[in-house]
Amino acid sequence: QKEVEQNSGPLSVPEGAIASLNCTYSDRVSQSFFWYRQYSGKSPELIMSIYSNGDKEDGRFTAQLNKASQYVSLLIRDSQPSDSATYLCAVSSNNNNDMRFGAGTRLTVKP
Amino acid sequence: DAGVTQSPTHLIKTRGQQVTLRCSPKSGHDTVSWYQQALGQGPQFIFQYYEEEERQRGNFPDRFSGHQFPNYSSELNVNALLLGDSALYLCASSLVYLARSSYEQYFGPGTRLTVT
Repeated sequence: QKEVEQNSGPLSVPEGAIASLNCTYSDRVSQSFFWYRQYSGKSPELIMSIYSNGDKEDGRFTAQLNKASQYVSLLIRDSQPSDSATYLCAVSSNNNNDMRFGAGTRLTVKP
Repeated sequence: DAGVTQSPTHLIKTRGQQVTLRCSPKSGHDTVSWYQQALGQGPQFIFQYYEEEERQRGNFPDRFSGHQFPNYSSELNVNALLLGDSALYLCASSLVYLARSSYEQYFGPGTRLTVT
């Protein structure tokens, strides 16, 4: 079992729709959770961090964390073609010595 | 605000050679982590440096070594290159407060290493 699992996609949504990206993790001591966006040929860019159960909103992005279910998700509202990218879920233990990444979900937003 | 910088951008090496990659952290950051990202995969943690010492290491052989300098910049060295070392090497920086850790890591543009 991989430590961090994501659906590889591709996930395709029409412009203006809500894109829902999911991630599960296996290490119960994980305390810090991150979503990165990576455009083709570029490096990952931090979108959201979440540390407590519940929802965290930042503009069109909402991260949701459920530690009991070992599940973290990212919702993108009013999706735009510029949101087309690979979204990486990353998980870290409390000491932040390392981050473990999923393989990423490729999102395509069609005009 | 200077972000994370890495050099070189691209590098082509021959199997068996050695390579050194460089990273300067974001202004104000003191911790540097290195990751290897193969095509189509998520980044894999190599090691992290803080206060010029290796804090933690991922599942990488001793051929991968590093260093952090007093100005917080860092180097990644890979000896005896293998074809499988071809990847995007990413440096990420963060800041560790005395009282509370900042967990967010910010990536540089990466170095694309090709081993032939």
